[in-house]
Amino acid sequence: NAGVMQNPRHLVRRRGQEARLRCSPMKGHSHVYWYRQLPEEGLKFMVYLQKENIIDESGMPKERFSAEFPKEGPSILRIQQVVRGDSAAYFCASSPISPNTEAFFGQGTRLTVV
Amino acid sequence: AQTVTQSQPEMSVQEAETVTLSCTYDTSESDYYLFWYKQPPSRQMILVIRQEAYKQQNATENRFSVNFQKAAKSFSLKISDSQLGDAAMYFCASSTSGTYKYIFGTGTRLKVLA
Repeated sequence: NAGVMQNPRHLVRRRGQEARLRCSPMKGHSHVYWYRQLPEEGLKFMVYLQKENIIDESGMPKERFSAEFPKEGPSILRIQQVVRGDSAAYFCASSPISPNTEAFFGQGTRLTVV
Repeated sequence: AQTVTQSQPEMSVQEAETVTLSCTYDTSESDYYLFWYKQPPSRQMILVIRQEAYKQQNATENRFSVNFQKAAKSFSLKISDSQLGDAAMYFCASSTSGTYKYIFGTGTRLKVLA
C-alpha cells in the first residue's frame, strides 16, 4: 500500500508564474489536508477536502491560492502569480473515513520562488 | 483556540542516553488528541506517538514514551537509549475530536552525539 505521494518534490518558479502541487492520498483515503511549513516553523493548516468538496479552507490565503480534489485523480494545490513569500514546503496528508485517526503525510513539495 | 508551545528550539543527547522534549498546549475542549511527529532531513513527517486525552495511561512505543499531565496541559516526549537515527526535528501537535486540523508547535531540533 503506497503512502501519500506528492509531486514534484522540488519546484522552482519565477515571480508571477503559477505553481501546481499534486497529492495522491493513500489507497482508500477520502480525506485530504494541505499544510504549509515556512522555514524554521511548524506546519500550518491550509485546507481540508473530501472528494469533490472543500470542507474547510479557513487556512488558505484569500487570493491566489486554490485547491481541488476531483472525483478522479490527485488533489491539486494551485498558487497563481507566486511571490517570494510563497516559498515554503507544502505537505499533503490523508486519512480514512474517520478523522482523528492518524493522518499520513507525504514527503512534501518544496516550492522556491526566485 | 488551540495553541501548542515547544520552548526548546534545540536539544542534544549523547548516544544511548535519555532525553526529554517539552510541549505545552492550551485548549478549551475536553476531548482531544496529542501527537509527536518526527521530521528527519528527508522532510517526511513520521508519527512517533499518539495520546488520547481521555486516557490516563501514558502512551509508549518502544523507546518512546510520553508524560501526559492533563491538569498542567503538558505533553513531554521521552526518548530512551537514544540512537543516531533519532536525530531530527520533533513536532508536538494537537487536534480536537471530531475535527481534522492539527495544530503544530514550532519544533525542537534533536541532535544525537556519538
